[in-house]
Amino acid sequence: EAGVTQFPSHSVIEKGQTVTLRCDPISGHDNLYWYRRVMGKEIKFLLHFVKESKQDESGMPNNRFLAERTGGTYSTLKVQPAELEDSGVYFCASSQATGGAAFFGQGTRLTVV
Amino acid sequence: AQSVTQLDSQVPVFEEAPVELRCNYSSSVSVYLFWYVQYPNQGLQLLLKYLSGSTLVESINGFEAEFNKSQTSFHLRKPSVHISDTAEYFCAVSDVGLYGNKLVFGAGTILRVKS
Repeated sequence: EAGVTQFPSHSVIEKGQTVTLRCDPISGHDNLYWYRRVMGKEIKFLLHFVKESKQDESGMPNNRFLAERTGGTYSTLKVQPAELEDSGVYFCASSQATGGAAFFGQGTRLTVV
Repeated sequence: AQSVTQLDSQVPVFEEAPVELRCNYSSSVSVYLFWYVQYPNQGLQLLLKYLSGSTLVESINGFEAEFNKSQTSFHLRKPSVHISDTAEYFCAVSDVGLYGNKLVFGAGTILRVKS
């Protein structure tokens, strides 16, 4: 069974550009989460989908970030326009409907220059 | 609000020595507890979890952690470490939610195993 996959693994963009990160959760997992780790800081929660609905988006930094999960399968996280402070590693995770442990992807390292 | 404190940012230890990585949490509700590990140039992997039942949980590679409710701790231990255990370890807590579990992470502890 495939794990959580994220694309791309690395992205370097200029300030002001747009970047879209993609996450494919484990098949059958209703819960999908996005987290971010800025260098030297803790891993922070961004948002949580249950199927295609946003259950909790309390961690989204501002309205430059837009997450979608069309059809309740894969998810995208778009940053538009990117700022220097958006640099970090973005992790996606998924878990079964009943909760329990979440399984993480490899992360996308985003560098804004 | 929940919080997690990992008391040591780095723990150097010699191979075959025992190690303890400390984790304390704060929460006003029932919790699930997790340890995740990130090996160099890899993603986060679930190491072990406490959801309910026995307070002592074990991983397949020799780590164990004990949920201590009175001390609000979930320390990670291994009696004899290997070079391959060098990694960053994250303690995390979530509430017992109906719709999945948002994780709150500690700052991480880098375990450096020396030969």
